[in-house]
Amino acid sequence: GQNIDQPTEMTATEGAIVQINCTYQTSGFNGLFWYQQHAGEAPTFLSYNVLDGLEEKGRFSSFLSRSKGYSYLLLKELQMKDSASYLCAVRDNAGNMLTFGGGTRLMVKP
Amino acid sequence: DGGITQSPKYLFRKEGQNVTLSCEQNLNHDAMYWYRQDPGQGLRLIYYSQIVNDFQKGDIAEGYSVSREKKESFPLTVTSAQKNPTAFYLCASRGREGTDTQYFGPGTRLTVL
Repeated sequence: GQNIDQPTEMTATEGAIVQINCTYQTSGFNGLFWYQQHAGEAPTFLSYNVLDGLEEKGRFSSFLSRSKGYSYLLLKELQMKDSASYLCAVRDNAGNMLTFGGGTRLMVKP
Repeated sequence: DGGITQSPKYLFRKEGQNVTLSCEQNLNHDAMYWYRQDPGQGLRLIYYSQIVNDFQKGDIAEGYSVSREKKESFPLTVTSAQKNPTAFYLCASRGREGTDTQYFGPGTRLTVL
């Protein structure tokens, strides 16, 4: 079976740092993706991890621990435009399908 | 420009009517996907296709049908058998380059009255 858990909502202050966690229990694993989705729009790709460790891309970083079934997305120097939902998704062994978590709605306040 | 297009952005239908949502891509991607998203929730896979003339059911295929007659096109039909069709529908495609990321179209919001 597939089970991916994320917090439903988080609130943070402009300029601060926020960490969004994702835990997964899946029958297979071939990479973990983070997407950003603004309300009413399509998800856009943020990051990809397949090996343990931290991947940094500007203000955004993503971490993976395969042994713990755990990932997090770190957003630094928060801006108002970062208010969005953040979706964690795990790819199956064959590399064909993604299973998504329920998403974390982040609200950035002034 | 290369990308994925979905039309229309908003669609209204009466209960009991079938409706077809379009998805076109010019990225030369082999794999295409249809997802459904309900308010405040993640994405659930309806159908996917890895190659022309072939497709597989996802987690919530009941009440939906698809076709893949051309590489560029993967239309989704929401049939009258789908009990709760009002949702945001997202199409995605995936290439074989780099991280094999799925890229999404802008989505179609279907409301059944």
